[in-house]
Amino acid sequence: LAKTTQPISMDSYEGQEVNITCSHNNIATNDYITWYQQFPSQGPRFIIQGYKTKVTNEVASLFIPADRKSSTLSLPRVSLSDTAVYYCLVGEGNFNKFYFGSGTKLNVKP
Amino acid sequence: EAGVAQSPRYKIIEKRQSVAFWCNPISGHATLYWYQQILGQGPKLLIQFQNNGVVDDSQLPKDRFSAERLKGVDSTLKIQPAKLEDSAVYLCASSLDLWASGRGQETQYFGPGTRLLVL
Repeated sequence: LAKTTQPISMDSYEGQEVNITCSHNNIATNDYITWYQQFPSQGPRFIIQGYKTKVTNEVASLFIPADRKSSTLSLPRVSLSDTAVYYCLVGEGNFNKFYFGSGTKLNVKP
Repeated sequence: EAGVAQSPRYKIIEKRQSVAFWCNPISGHATLYWYQQILGQGPKLLIQFQNNGVVDDSQLPKDRFSAERLKGVDSTLKIQPAKLEDSAVYLCASSLDLWASGRGQETQYFGPGTRLLVL
């Protein structure tokens, strides 16, 4: 199972851009990289997914270098409501199985 | 579109008792997952169904945990007998069809979870 490594926690202030980097050295050639967000007392929620280079949607951007051994989730202009745990996941084989790890706890301060 | 439904939301039992959790996935989703999330940790996959068949249950403690998805829609996860270390949030998730796109491309949609406390 392809495991990931992320910082345990990060602090930021409202209005700042936050970048969370994830390491996935054992990623397989065709695996995708997915990020989920989890608020307390809720299930994880899909944020963004990518395979290579850069992907952007209405809430975040995902940067993936050419070697794909890491990825960076970028949250522009965070607000207090972005305080959550962020998980970086790599798909496992053909069974859509993920290893969640402990995630990165982002704390956004006023 | 209705999301993944789970019940109950909370359950308190004593050790050695049994408990069951119910999950109703998003309509049309063929793949269903049960996760266990212990406080402070990420979710751990317990079992994965494709329609009514088990795809992966390698991390399910089969001596006390069981799960079924008889008609390929709703699913039930049971613990019998419960232990103190089973205290956790049990999350159900669904995705459209894991065979439609491989390599972890399928988005999983999670329910709110059931918080279990074993005393």
